[in-house]
Formats: sequence, structure tokens, C-alpha cells
Amino acid sequence: DTGVSQDPRHKITKRGQNVTFRCDPISEHNRLYWYRQTLGQGPEFLTYFQNEAQLEKSRLLSDRFSAERPKGSFSTLEIQRTEQGDSAMYLCASSSRDRGSSSYEQYFGPGTRLTVT
Amino acid sequence: QKEVEQDPGPLSVPEGAIVSLNCTYSNSAFQYFMWYRQYSRKGPELLMYTYSSGNKEDGRFTAQVDKSSKYISLFIRDSQPSDSATYLCAMSQNFNKFYFGSGTKLNVKP
Repeated sequence: DTGVSQDPRHKITKRGQNVTFRCDPISEHNRLYWYRQTLGQGPEFLTYFQNEAQLEKSRLLSDRFSAERPKGSFSTLEIQRTEQGDSAMYLCASSSRDRGSSSYEQYFGPGTRLTVT
Repeated sequence: QKEVEQDPGPLSVPEGAIVSLNCTYSNSAFQYFMWYRQYSRKGPELLMYTYSSGNKEDGRFTAQVDKSSKYISLFIRDSQPSDSATYLCAMSQNFNKFYFGSGTKLNVKP
């Protein structure tokens, strides 16, 4: 198992363009989370999926943001009409119930760094 | 008021020192408490997970949760230069949504 992977690792785009990021979770992890992290801050929750169902969305996730997880495997996060304030690291994490406990420990990917010029 | 407050540091200590990192929170419904380590330009890495109040030890790391005070701590014994990183606390009510602190930057000097 190679862990959570994210693609691309870096993205530079001009304001107003659309961008799409991909996350491949650890195989058989049924939960997948998206976070946004800006410099000097901790990750901010954006949304989470259990299998293919999107179960919770943050108010941070404006109507320009959309996330999907078709077939409960990889996930995509799309930002439409990007703004300079969207510049951040976008992190994906996956989890599965830990055997013998009630916990869902998260494992993070390396992130996609977005720069909007 | 933020859900989770964490002193951003930076915290600079000599090698071998005991390090204490702390977070406070406002939501009494939080039951699950985690500490992550994050190196520059990398994703966070889970260090410790604790359920409800109490202590948990793993090698040089000890996590403590005091729900009555809404206060959690991470202690690092015999700190090493390789421990230099940003440490993030995180907490959740039900594993559906996680709240992170802003992170404390730690520098362990050789």
C-alpha cells in the first residue's frame, strides 16, 4: 500500500480559471476527507465522503467548489472561477474504522499546492 | 472564537529536553483527540490518538486529555533534532468532521 496520493502536487492558474484536483485514498478506506491549509494555519475541513456519499460539507465550501467520489474510490475537488484567496494547500485524507476500536484514524496525502495569479 | 486554540510558537529547545505542547478547545462534545506532526510542504502524519480523558504513551510521546478543563497536551521526552516540525492538535465529536489547531512550530537544536 503506497498511502494516499494526490495529483497534481503543484498547480499555478490564472484568476477565473477552473482547476480540478484528484485524490487516491488508501485502498479499501471507505472515508475520504478534503481540507484546505493556508500558511501558518492548521487544515480546515471542507468535506467528507463515506464511500460515494458526500455526508458533510463546510460552509467554507462555496458554490464554486464541488467534490465527487464516484464509485467510492478516488475523489476529485473542482474549483470554478478561481480567486486569489483560493491559493492554499489542498489536502486529502482517508480513513477506515480501526479494527478493535471505534476510531477512524486519518492518513493524509502530500497535498496539492494551488497558486492563483 | 476558534473551536481549537494552539500557541503557534515557535518553540526552540536543546536536544534532550522535554517538550510540552498544548491546545485548548471550546466544544465539550469533542471525544476524540489527535496529535499530528507536519514537516514543511508535507501532509500531516498521525502521531497519537486518544479517546476521552486520560493519558496515552507511545515511546517518547505522551498524550494527555483533560476534558474538564478542555485542555490537551503532548509531551516529547528526550527530544531529537529530527522532532523539529510543526505539531498540530485535532479533535472530533464523531469522526465526521475534524477541527485542527493552527500548529506549534518546534525547533530542537543539536
